[in-house]
Amino acid sequence: NAGVTQTPKFQVLKTGQSMTLQCAQDMNHNSMYWYRQDPGMGLRLIYYSASEGTTDKGEVPNGYNVSRLNKREFSLRLESAAPSQTSVYFCASTLLGQGGGNTIYFGEGSWLTVV
Amino acid sequence: AQKITQTQPGMFVQEKEAVTLDCTYDTSDPSYGLFWYKQPSSGEMIFLIYQGSYDQQNATEGRYSLNFQKARKSANLVISASQLGDSAMYFCAMREGNIQGAQKLVFGQGTRLTINP
Repeated sequence: NAGVTQTPKFQVLKTGQSMTLQCAQDMNHNSMYWYRQDPGMGLRLIYYSASEGTTDKGEVPNGYNVSRLNKREFSLRLESAAPSQTSVYFCASTLLGQGGGNTIYFGEGSWLTVV
Repeated sequence: AQKITQTQPGMFVQEKEAVTLDCTYDTSDPSYGLFWYKQPSSGEMIFLIYQGSYDQQNATEGRYSLNFQKARKSANLVISASQLGDSAMYFCAMREGNIQGAQKLVFGQGTRLTINP
């Protein structure tokens, strides 16, 4: 009963390095999201995928790219990490249609530090 | 302009008392949804309760209820009989548009609730 699984949980990067955060859900959800949470703040939407094969920008997309690999997996890539991208990253998913959009499940978060 | 406002940065409550966490929102979309999440010190986001803009009754989930006052654009979370395990950060969030579309949430800045024994 994993729900939404994110890897890695912790990562330290040097400025300019690249990395990919992985997210997978096992609830047969069609819609997936990436958020970031900066200290003392609420979450902000980076990118989302309303359905398999589509991706769209959220509120803070600059410096990120995403890939909806299949229905289960949605990855977030930092091409050239910057200290401003130090944050906690959350993946979320939900089932659009069929009455599922009122419950959005989050992963446990990925703590990323860019030095 | 802030779409979600949580005016209480921190609250301290005695165990077993009821507590109300405030949330006001701003939208011109007639269709929207309001969510409350709990974030304990371990960091995960735990879904608590949901209220749709067209729902006639206030949502309830166990000890959690949502005091939805549409005209005032207010969606306060009420926790009855608070427990030590309720100590956490609480976030109010809003989705604009109907439940069939992408569930893009806008979050408030949160309220840190501390339950004292």
